Amino acid sequence: AQKVTQAQTEISVVEKEDVTLDCVYETRDTTYYLFWYKQPPSGELVFLIRRNSFDEQNEISGRYSWNFQKSTSSFNFTITASQVVDSAVYFCALSEAKSGGSNYKLTFGKGTLLTVNP
Amino acid sequence: EPEVTQTPSHQVTQMGQEVILRCVPISNHLYFYWYRQILGQKVEFLVSFYNNEISEKSEIFDDQFSVERPDGSNFTLKIRSTKLEDSAMYFCASSVFAGANVLTFGAGSRLTVL
Repeated sequence: AQKVTQAQTEISVVEKEDVTLDCVYETRDTTYYLFWYKQPPSGELVFLIRRNSFDEQNEISGRYSWNFQKSTSSFNFTITASQVVDSAVYFCALSEAKSGGSNYKLTFGKGTLLTVNP
Repeated sequence: EPEVTQTPSHQVTQMGQEVILRCVPISNHLYFYWYRQILGQKVEFLVSFYNNEISEKSEIFDDQFSVERPDGSNFTLKIRSTKLEDSAMYFCASSVFAGANVLTFGAGSRLTVL
């Protein structure tokens, strides 16, 4: 069975600090996909990034960066120079790669509430 | 940017009543999903739908739940006889393809069962 663990329930930082959100996953699949979604106070789920299990390159997008380490089954998310607008719940999610064109489901972690204080 | 729209944004109902939550997926998307988030908890998969039939459902999705695509645009989730524990945010999502395709989520419908 798939499982995603976000051990940090809540994190509070002061604006401009860097912050890393941890994500550890479990799966028996050799091919899988990892995601991060952001849920701001308004409630919607906003896609941030998708990673497949064959691509261990780290990725940077502006102030966001992701560190995928297959050896430790981790997919951590770092926000550099955090801003108040980054305050949200961040979810890590995992999906298996089914063959035959069938669709798939996301297994979410419990989320990490990030509060960035001015 | 195309988006998934959901109505209503918030519904309050009495226990035992039927509820229908509506979703309009992105027009060229072929796969549709419902997820649920009980307040303060993680987002959980309910059901996926493709080619006018359910392709997968979770253990949460029991006989009280049903989904339908009554026309070319709407995708609905019906709860026949609501229970207190059905109170949650319900998210609709859609994707173009299966596999690794990114799910685009709607803003959610908050259901409160009294």
